[in-house]
Amino acid sequence: QVQLVQSGAEVKKPGASVKVSCKTSGYTFTKYAIHWMRQAPGQRLEWMGWINSGTSNTKFSQSFQGRVTISTDTSASTVYLELSSLTSEDTGVFYCALFRDAYYTTWGQGTQVTVSA
Amino acid sequence: QSLLTQPPSVSGAPGQRVTISCTGGSSNIGSGYDVNWYQHLPGTAPKALIYANFNRPSGVPERFTGSKSGTSVSLAISGLQAEDEADYFCQSYDTSLTAFIFGGGTKLTVL
Repeated sequence: QVQLVQSGAEVKKPGASVKVSCKTSGYTFTKYAIHWMRQAPGQRLEWMGWINSGTSNTKFSQSFQGRVTISTDTSASTVYLELSSLTSEDTGVFYCALFRDAYYTTWGQGTQVTVSA
Repeated sequence: QSLLTQPPSVSGAPGQRVTISCTGGSSNIGSGYDVNWYQHLPGTAPKALIYANFNRPSGVPERFTGSKSGTSVSLAISGLQAEDEADYFCQSYDTSLTAFIFGGGTKLTVL
């Protein structure tokens, strides 16, 4: 079955960068896009961006433009999210999700990122 | 409005029916963009319940139904069960923000 397994929790200092991985399995990796979302404590989910896993084309939310990079390792069926210039407001749970048939069919389990001095 | 608005909480007794609304605006639901619904238990991966306003993915019980009227959509859960206690959120696309958007989530309590 389709699975998205994310890397473990991270603790970072303000100004640092974080890289979260999303390892996929159970489908043809290059056929579908992967999206990334962030959920800050007590806040709604916020869409960050997506990558076409076949072409590596990306699109980002204006809220994160300039600070976010999404990339793939096709040989490992893995997608990466990198967020730079972290502040305390970036603390939250980051999710990857498979976008298929115009909805998020499968989600990762989430990765807690804590930004603290 | 470019946001999706949900009630913070709803509740119902086992066996009852509850509905959760998701209200958007002219730049998202009103522009014809579909709404999807997800169930989320804290600490787990969200699960798709309804896609394109009305459709259930394979394996989702018929107790979960979606409807749409104007710039609002609703998720109805009938025959409430204890295992339905979770957070539910809606999701769509906004053409003004050129971004995928989410509702604030509704916590369902089964009394």
